Amino acid sequence: QVQLVESGGGVVQPGRSLRLSCAASGFTFSSYAMHWVRQAPGKGLEWVAVISNDRTNTYYADSVKGRFTISRDNSKNTLYLQMNTLRAEDTAVYYCARADGGWTDAFDIWGQGTMVTVSS
Amino acid sequence: DTQMTQSPSSLSASVGDRVTITCQASQDISNYLNWYQRKPGKAPKLLIYDATNLETGVPSRFSGSGSGTDFTFTISSLQPEDIATYYCQQYHTLPLTFGPGTKVDIK
Repeated sequence: QVQLVESGGGVVQPGRSLRLSCAASGFTFSSYAMHWVRQAPGKGLEWVAVISNDRTNTYYADSVKGRFTISRDNSKNTLYLQMNTLRAEDTAVYYCARADGGWTDAFDIWGQGTMVTVSS
Repeated sequence: DTQMTQSPSSLSASVGDRVTITCQASQDISNYLNWYQRKPGKAPKLLIYDATNLETGVPSRFSGSGSGTDFTFTISSLQPEDIATYYCQQYHTLPLTFGPGTKVDIK
């Protein structure tokens, strides 16, 4: 079935790095733009980044620009989020999501999320 | 950035009640608006896209309306399984932005 599975979360100290992965299955991964969305404890949903299906276009929220990098390997059906210079405010559940249609269209498929905790 | 506001921030209603949530954008976003349901411990779920279109498999008691800057999300007859937080989200302009959410409870 159509599925997204995130991995790579954990506890990391401020200033360190972490890479999240999102494995896709059940659909033609290379046909869809993909996003990362996060939710900090007790807070609402926050969009993080998008990458087009062919990797040519990316866009970031101001809160992560210059620190996070979204990428994908269509041969491996996998989306990534490289997170550098992590801050306490990056603590959140991180979801990958598929855009249904255009690269900013509705998120019709979501992963179950992976927790990132930034703490000393 | 396009700011999204929602009201109320929370509500409590009885089973069978009609529930209405409003969402307002800080600028004209046409119909580039989606609604999501988020239950505790679960991933968000798309309910309504393009302001008024029901996602496949979503019960017909859910509906959306509006365009421009003002939007409404309605549950025509609240069910126990609808307990969740509901978010609007605009995709007219990057960065994409969500509303702060409306928590729906059973009275």
